[in-house]
Amino acid sequence: VLTQSPGTLSLSPGERVTLSCRASQSVGISYFAWYQQKPGQAPRLLIYGASNRATGIPDRFSGSGSGTDFTLTNSRLEPEDFAVYYCHQYGRFPYTFGQGTKLEIK
Amino acid sequence: QVQLLQSGAEVKKLGASVKVSCKASGYTFTDFSISWVRQAPGQGLEWMGWISAYNSNTKYAQKFQGRVALTTDASTSTAYMDLRSLSSDDTAIYYCARCCGPYGGDWGQGTLITVSS
Repeated sequence: VLTQSPGTLSLSPGERVTLSCRASQSVGISYFAWYQQKPGQAPRLLIYGASNRATGIPDRFSGSGSGTDFTLTNSRLEPEDFAVYYCHQYGRFPYTFGQGTKLEIK
Repeated sequence: QVQLLQSGAEVKKLGASVKVSCKASGYTFTDFSISWVRQAPGQGLEWMGWISAYNSNTKYAQKFQGRVALTTDASTSTAYMDLRSLSSDDTAIYYCARCCGPYGGDWGQGTLITVSS
């Protein structure tokens, strides 16, 4: 089970934000990802292997963590970053997603 | 470029079955596995299962065991998700996605399955 916190976050453009995801069992560092999803769109891969940015992802996004605790940081929120973010482990079956963190404009 | 093209939206009756297809292009189909993920209206992402396109090994979420079947057809580079005994709780958008790591960014466009009485 992956538990994300907080459930909803209200912030302003330009702010820095850190999202958290805690796993009920240790996850191999190579098998952890973060996705961004906007309404009406398929999820977009941001981070894989806990800390590797996917192709085309701006460097304001960064991922870190190991074991059971992982974080996604956005160093400076842009208007297009307000969306729902999901963590995902693909290290052991069943693969799982966190319940999501909604980032909304304050 | 990599593309996963899913079949179109469907409306199904309670208790019916549905089969969603996912046609891959732009990469060697048998070199990667496919995950299926669904999203009910206003809800989060739910992993359903995984299939190796190389040897058709499958893994399913316990919730769907016995009710879902994942298959592939290497000759057409297509993956299929078959879900039986549909209930209203199965109304959702169903996605296929190339697995995993850096390739986990390749998703189908989603297929809306609506279950009604």
